[in-house]
Amino acid sequence: GAGVSQSPSNKVTEKGKDVELRCDPISGHTALYWYRQSLGQGLEFLIYFQGNSAPDKSGLPSDRFSAERTGGSVSTLTIQRTQQEDSAVYLCASSLGGQGGEKLFFGSGTQLSVL
Amino acid sequence: AQSVSQHNHHVILSEAASLELGCNYSYGGTVNLFWYVQYPGQHLQLLLKYFSGDPLVKGIKGFEAEFIKSKFSFNLRKPSVQWSDTAEYFCAVNPYSSASKIIFGSGTRLSIRP
Repeated sequence: GAGVSQSPSNKVTEKGKDVELRCDPISGHTALYWYRQSLGQGLEFLIYFQGNSAPDKSGLPSDRFSAERTGGSVSTLTIQRTQQEDSAVYLCASSLGGQGGEKLFFGSGTQLSVL
Repeated sequence: AQSVSQHNHHVILSEAASLELGCNYSYGGTVNLFWYVQYPGQHLQLLLKYFSGDPLVKGIKGFEAEFIKSKFSFNLRKPSVQWSDTAEYFCAVNPYSSASKIIFGSGTRLSIRP
């Protein structure tokens, strides 16, 4: 596609429910990142995929968070048993080859609200 | 731990004023440095980046940034701001040792009075 696509754009859920957030990167981009942006905070790194390599999961805040990337393209971020502190904008970004210092292309994000 | 500090959370300027937004990072090794911008209702996009060479880098829309290694700083500047520069600005650091880790600061919201 023309850009990084994320869905849904908004998600309201009840505490304790599971949610799935989707990211469709730019075609041909091998690197994919998930970030979380909370109100007044910067972008918090969550997870990074590069090609067929094992993902860097070092930013996932708890074992309730997981992500996968199927076929080297679409990625899904899953949050189990959501908590109110999970409320944030979840941003996905992709880059061409995953080399250090590459330009990231961001999606418009998913605004998650946990009631 | 590696971190990026943007000390100005909200800056308010009048049109034609000069701008400087601070960015400091904590990492002792070689780094790539970036400024990203998010205009209201738009995606985050790259404003400029530093890899190596001339520490003064120029980006889009008249922005520039200077890498001062001894100060671990990468401040963003623009000599004369416009109302259209109203946005949120994020500094980011990528340590050479880790292609995956692009660490962002907390952002600076810039408001320009027309």
